[in-house]
Amino acid sequence: GAGVSQSPSNKVTEKGKDVELRCDPISGHTALYWYRQSLGQGLEFLIYFQGNSAPDKSGLPSDRFSAERTGGSVSTLTIQRTQQEDSAVYLCASSLEGLYNSYEQYFGPGTRLTVT
Amino acid sequence: GDSVTQMEGPVTLSEEAFLTINCTYTATGYPSLFWYVQYPGEGLQLLLKATKADDKGSNKGFEATYRKETTSFHLEKGSVQVSDSAVYFCALKTGANSKLTFGKGITLSVRP
Repeated sequence: GAGVSQSPSNKVTEKGKDVELRCDPISGHTALYWYRQSLGQGLEFLIYFQGNSAPDKSGLPSDRFSAERTGGSVSTLTIQRTQQEDSAVYLCASSLEGLYNSYEQYFGPGTRLTVT
Repeated sequence: GDSVTQMEGPVTLSEEAFLTINCTYTATGYPSLFWYVQYPGEGLQLLLKATKADDKGSNKGFEATYRKETTSFHLEKGSVQVSDSAVYFCALKTGANSKLTFGKGITLSVRP
């Protein structure tokens, strides 16, 4: 079946602009995660959704970052007033459940964000 | 908080050489441990996992054993191939939350 998909695959934006990144998880996966991969920081967790609620937002680096999930499916990560340090690859992953298990997280191909 | 420490890279080996990539962790509770791999131009994918002490995860000739006493999960392969060239990430996940905590990753290059 279809894997996790993300769009756009690449995004170049000017400093100060807002961007929206989209994630379509694997159908039936209730848990959805956002991570960020950058050269200096490696792979960092941003936020976790179980259904439409986000019990763990601890990785969001500032209040410029927000995310939502609707219908227990698609998620959007929004970065307001982008800064150059936001440049990174943003990865989305989904799995069957969260919290008390070790189900595999399936990763999407990522969105490469470049802030100029 | 939880953390994963991987050996510094990059690592360059000749084909058929033995591979060890070290990984140690710090965690509250009893984590599950993972190795993820990112091949050039591809997305992150699970290579193997172990969910409790003394478990051995294995896949594609790679192995790693969950060592609680040394808090380690070293990745090994007896004979690497050029196609194993990739970035390898060690990660953990605890029962307290669902996020994966990753190590910095290490780039492996295998030359013919």
